[in-house]
Amino acid sequence: AQSVTQPDIHITVSEGASLELRCNYSYGATPYLFWYVQSPGQGLQLLLKYFSGDTLVQGIKGFEAEFKRSQSSFNLRKPSVHWSDAAEYFCAVGAPEYGNKLVFGAGTILRVKS
Amino acid sequence: DGGITQSPKYLFRKEGQNVTLSCEQNLNHDAMYWYRQDPGQGLRLIYYSQIVNDFQKGDIAEGYSVSREKKESFPLTVTSAQKNPTAFYLCASSTLAGGTSSTDTQYFGPGTRLTVL
Repeated sequence: AQSVTQPDIHITVSEGASLELRCNYSYGATPYLFWYVQSPGQGLQLLLKYFSGDTLVQGIKGFEAEFKRSQSSFNLRKPSVHWSDAAEYFCAVGAPEYGNKLVFGAGTILRVKS
Repeated sequence: DGGITQSPKYLFRKEGQNVTLSCEQNLNHDAMYWYRQDPGQGLRLIYYSQIVNDFQKGDIAEGYSVSREKKESFPLTVTSAQKNPTAFYLCASSTLAGGTSSTDTQYFGPGTRLTVL
């Protein structure tokens, strides 16, 4: 079965600094990969997804992620963080043989300091 | 506006009571899902449904039940058999554009926070 690891439970960055949130997955072939963001008490919003093709994926709100097969990673990046980016971020993995089910990481809470 | 609605936003339950959480979508999606979210544990799948009148257990189905009588609706009942029901519950939906074995993007509702008194 596929699994997802988000190694950082909390990350704090200064406003205007760059951001990288890590996501590692365990799956033998190329999975489907997603990043979602959740503000407190809210549902999840899709930031970006990777199904195939170009390994650098652009998303909403200035986020991007890069799929690296050799490292089994799909890290999320943003060049300049805004205070409104403070939220919890979830990486998720799907695979063809598991149908339309996703496996979610435990999440990374991003704090932005001014 | 197309989207997923969940009600109520907050729900309080006394021990021994069953409660039902509502999830409705007007996105014309075939598949619907229920997740439970606890702090530090991410999202765990409770039940999912790919077609009306059919549903499958997820990873933590014990103590929960669902129905799918209409394509738009997928209510979740938290029964008294669920020993620790206090959590945030999220409903999601997706297309099945690639068939039942495909993975499509899941879109989420705003959630219901259930608290046991």
